[in-house]
Amino acid sequence: AQKITQTQPGMFVQEKEAVTLDCTYDTSDQSYGLFWYKQPSSGEMIFLIYQGSYDEQNATEGRYSLNFQKARKSANLVISASQLGDSAMYFCAMREGDSGYALNFGKGTSLLVTP
Amino acid sequence: DGGITQSPKYLFRKEGQNVTLSCEQNLNHDAMYWYRQDPGQGLRLIYYSQIVNDFQKGDIAEGYSVSREKKESFPLTVTSAQKNPTAFYLCASSIHSRQATNYGYTFGSGTRLTVV
Repeated sequence: AQKITQTQPGMFVQEKEAVTLDCTYDTSDQSYGLFWYKQPSSGEMIFLIYQGSYDEQNATEGRYSLNFQKARKSANLVISASQLGDSAMYFCAMREGDSGYALNFGKGTSLLVTP
Repeated sequence: DGGITQSPKYLFRKEGQNVTLSCEQNLNHDAMYWYRQDPGQGLRLIYYSQIVNDFQKGDIAEGYSVSREKKESFPLTVTSAQKNPTAFYLCASSIHSRQATNYGYTFGSGTRLTVV
């Protein structure tokens, strides 16, 4: 069964606007970590933000924030004030004991920022 | 500077040949991972290793083999049994995976393998 679901294959956003990328997850573990990575066309994986299952506050890192709704098992990424350089693939991932602590990735969302 | 080095960046293989992708890290990480990425498929786990001389199959291990003789190195061999090997391969490492739910990975820059 798919552990991480990203339902938006592609998204468009205008420069300087905010955008939300959706992610839902499935786990029976109490302790787990949720991650977002950015992958530009060069292929490198860039870590953006992390949320722990016990964290009560939503994580924030600069223009990135994570809207964590534990009961709904969702961990949406919010990018504020989009920039042209934000155009890339974005992957949600989860680390938990059921998977031997290896990161499980969603299929990704392709974000295009337009001028 | 510490990091992960994958080589080569591009690799071409003839059908029926085995090829080995290199992954070296100097981060003193215990755990290492191999992922395969196809368009629209995200990253799928091939193999992972939590300590030297031990490794486990991931979701798509068929047609691949690995070794972990040294902490720094985790080479991946794509064998002739892998019927569709053309893909982008990413290696990653992290601190020991147990107790590490709050740690992510450090990724290499990837190897793009094409069968010709």
